[in-house]
Amino acid sequence: GAVVSQHPSRVICKSGTSVKIECRSLDFQATTMFWYRQFPKQSLMLMATSNEGSKATYEQGVEKDKFLINHASLTLSTLTVTSAHPEDSSFYICSLGPPSWTEAFFGQGTRLTVV
Amino acid sequence: GDSVTQMEGPVTLSEEAFLTINCTYTATGYPSLFWYVQYPGEGLQLLLKATKADDKGSNKGFEATYRKETTSFHLEKGSVQVSDSAVYFCALRGYSSASKIIFGSGTRLSIRP
Repeated sequence: GAVVSQHPSRVICKSGTSVKIECRSLDFQATTMFWYRQFPKQSLMLMATSNEGSKATYEQGVEKDKFLINHASLTLSTLTVTSAHPEDSSFYICSLGPPSWTEAFFGQGTRLTVV
Repeated sequence: GDSVTQMEGPVTLSEEAFLTINCTYTATGYPSLFWYVQYPGEGLQLLLKATKADDKGSNKGFEATYRKETTSFHLEKGSVQVSDSAVYFCALRGYSSASKIIFGSGTRLSIRP
C-alpha cells in the first residue's frame, strides 16, 4: 500500500498561536486529500476535502478561516490551525487518495494540545 | 446519505475468545467496505476490505464478508490476542469516484491476558 507520512506526531502550543501539520505522500501522486478530526473516544469526523490545485471543500460547521488547508502539490498537503484554542485540542489525521483509489491511506495522526 | 452503524463498545474479552464486531451500512449502489484499526497512540491502519458482494476480506486472522442482502460487514476473529486491543472502525466508500469514506463510531476492544 501507499505510504503517508504525517508530521508532527505530537504538538503542544499556546493558546492564540498557529500550528501547521504536514501530510506527505511518499510513493504516489495524491490528487485527493481528506483531513479528519477525532475527539476522544469518538469516530473520525471529516473536516474537509481538497483536490490538488483547487480550493478545499469544508464540511458543514468547519471554519475554513480557522483550519487552513493547502494542497499545492501532489505530494504535500498541510493543515494550519490558526489562533488555536484549547477546544481545538484533538487528534488530526490526513488521508490521501491516489487517482484510482479504492481505499484511503492514512497518516499516523497528530495529537494537538492547546494550553 | 450513506452511513455506517457499528456496535458500541467497549468490548472486553479474554485471550483466545471468539470476536464479533457487528457493522451494518446504508448506501446507494455498491460501496466498498473496510475495517480500519487504530492502536493506542497511532493513526488508522487498513485491516481488511471488500469491494463487491460476497467478497471476504481477511488479514491477521480477522475476516469480514460483504453481505449485500443484509447490508452487513461484520468483523470476526476466532482467537483474539492481547495485541488485538485497539479501536476498530467499520467504513464504506461509495461507488462514485468523488465519494468520501464514511466511518462508523468505532468499537474499543480490550483483551485480558
